[in-house]
Amino acid sequence: QSALTQPASVSGSPGQSITISCTGTSSDVGGYNYVSWYQQEPGKAPKLMISEVSIRPSGVSHRFSGSKSGNTASLTISGLQAEDEADYYCCSYTSSNTYVFGTGTKVTVL
Amino acid sequence: QVQLVQSGAEVKKPGASVKVSCKASRYTFTINYMHWVRQAPGQGLEWMGLINPNTGNTKYAQKFQGRVTMTTDTSTSTFYMDLSSLRYEDTAVYYCARGADASDIWGLGTVVSVSP
Repeated sequence: QSALTQPASVSGSPGQSITISCTGTSSDVGGYNYVSWYQQEPGKAPKLMISEVSIRPSGVSHRFSGSKSGNTASLTISGLQAEDEADYYCCSYTSSNTYVFGTGTKVTVL
Repeated sequence: QVQLVQSGAEVKKPGASVKVSCKASRYTFTINYMHWVRQAPGQGLEWMGLINPNTGNTKYAQKFQGRVTMTTDTSTSTFYMDLSSLRYEDTAVYYCARGADASDIWGLGTVVSVSP
């Protein structure tokens, strides 16, 4: 199972919106609504930001939203803040009853 | 609060095995699946497998088939991940993460270093 494809880096100025893509196949992202997104700060464990494509867990800022179209899922961060600077990973359920992570995206706030 | 407490760092030689533990507290042990995820230095997250604590059923990533074993001890609410035939490239932080299709609670990670 190959890792899902994410851009290596995305940047934006404070207050702007950015979108991180996560591209898979019809056997993973495109086939199921079980895509989740994680934020990871340096030296820390990942934190769940979005589950089931677009569900935001309690305590996660409303500035984070998720969507999916075909084989590509997306995470949008609106009103970008300095505290959003981190690595972000998508994860999808697959037709093999396994899970696969994305390659990861480093978000930089300019 | 709900937490997962992982065992301490390990240093192993190539060819050896390592067993990492993950103790669940303040929630019903059998309710949630447990995933194991690893992260090599400077690299991304890699899914290794999961276990259903209710049935003991497991599912492993193909890459680790034959080398990894995930188990539970219901008497102590503890999950275990055993990785055998260690190679240098198994050097990584190993995380346990609670959940089915998404993991809301993660352990702090266990550093496993493979060196001669």
